[in-house]
Amino acid sequence: AQSVTQPDIHITVSEGASLELRCNYSYGATPYLFWYVQSPGQGLQLLLKYFSGDTLVQGIKGFEAEFKRSQSSFNLRKPSVHWSDAAEYFCAVGATPLKAAGNKLTFGGGTRVLVKP
Amino acid sequence: GAGVSQSPSNKVTEKGKDVELRCDPISGHTALYWYRQSLGQGLEFLIYFQGNSAPDKSGLPSDRFSAERTGGSVSTLTIQRTQQEDSAVYLCASSLAGAVYNEQFFGPGTRLTVL
Repeated sequence: AQSVTQPDIHITVSEGASLELRCNYSYGATPYLFWYVQSPGQGLQLLLKYFSGDTLVQGIKGFEAEFKRSQSSFNLRKPSVHWSDAAEYFCAVGATPLKAAGNKLTFGGGTRVLVKP
Repeated sequence: GAGVSQSPSNKVTEKGKDVELRCDPISGHTALYWYRQSLGQGLEFLIYFQGNSAPDKSGLPSDRFSAERTGGSVSTLTIQRTQQEDSAVYLCASSLAGAVYNEQFFGPGTRLTVL
């Protein structure tokens, strides 16, 4: 069965500093990987996704992620954090591409990011 | 509407009562998903609809949980005889179709508290 691990429950970063959130996955086939952000009281918003091709993926809000098959990782990065980036971040892996199976997502436990002024 | 909407936004109920949670997906989205977000279990998949049928119900935790979708649009998640462990935020998501490359758009959730 597929699984996702986000080793860091909380991360505190100063505004303007760089941010890296770790994600490790376990999946038997080619993974379909996602990063979502959840601001307080809001639903999840997709930041970026990886299906195939270039292993460095650009997303919204200045985020990028790098897929490393050898390490089973899909870490999220941002060069310079803004106070508005304070939120909870979830890494997820999608199910098989079979149409009938849909695309149920398996999520990691999340990483809460606090931004210090 | 512009996005996925869910109602109510908050629901407080007593143990043993039944509750219904509603999801209005984005117009034209044929795929609809329910997830549960709780402190102990994180974010978990519950059920997937393609149109009005549910090919994947594997995440429903017990037979007290059921869901339906009518007209290929609105979905209702029903929890019977609620228990305290049902307290969670229930999230609904929709996408154009069920394929993995279709982005899932999430609603704001319904926070359920069982006293």
